[in-house]
Amino acid sequence: AQKVTQAQTEISVVEKEDVTLDCVYETRDTTYYLFWYKQPPSGELVFLIRRNSFDEQNEISGRYSWNFQKSTSSFNFTITASQVVDSAVYFCALMNYFGNEKLTFGTGTRLTIIP
Amino acid sequence: DTAVSQTPKYLVTQMGNDKSIKCEQNLGHDTMYWYKQDSKKFLKIMFSYNNKELIINETVPNRFSPKSPDKAHLNLHINSLELGDSAVYFCASSHSPRGGNEQFFGPGTRLTVL
Repeated sequence: AQKVTQAQTEISVVEKEDVTLDCVYETRDTTYYLFWYKQPPSGELVFLIRRNSFDEQNEISGRYSWNFQKSTSSFNFTITASQVVDSAVYFCALMNYFGNEKLTFGTGTRLTIIP
Repeated sequence: DTAVSQTPKYLVTQMGNDKSIKCEQNLGHDTMYWYKQDSKKFLKIMFSYNNKELIINETVPNRFSPKSPDKAHLNLHINSLELGDSAVYFCASSHSPRGGNEQFFGPGTRLTVL
């Protein structure tokens, strides 16, 4: 069985602060993929990043960065110098390689950036 | 230009009715999905089709029946709607079901059952 836990239900930070969203996953498979999706107030789901289990290199994309640590089964997401447009619900998700591409989502973290 | 489109965007109906939601993708993908997002924002897969063949069928009531006329379309038909069916339904698509391909989501259909 696979599971994704996003323990932070809601986070509020003041604009320009840095914020980290936590994601912890459980899987018995050795090959898997991790994802982050953003759901802004408009409701659509926007793909942010995919990571495979063999690649533990951290990734940075502009103000976004991701820290994948296999030893702790975590895939955390940091937004640097947050902006109001970052306000959204963020979902971490897990896909096992042999699982027919089924995405198992966490419960999401609602991030509010206060201007 | 829309990659994954769904119609309608909003659907309000009475309990007991039958309704359909349509999904189309123009990305050339061969795998399509239906997800349900409940009022607490929890997202759960319902079905997946690859080249018109059903490959994922989660424990969804058989009142829900997906239909894939071709690999660019995956429709969802719901019979005898119940209050608990109220949710946002998302269609998604990806390349073949191996390799951890990212899924691209449609805008969602908000279904309200009265």
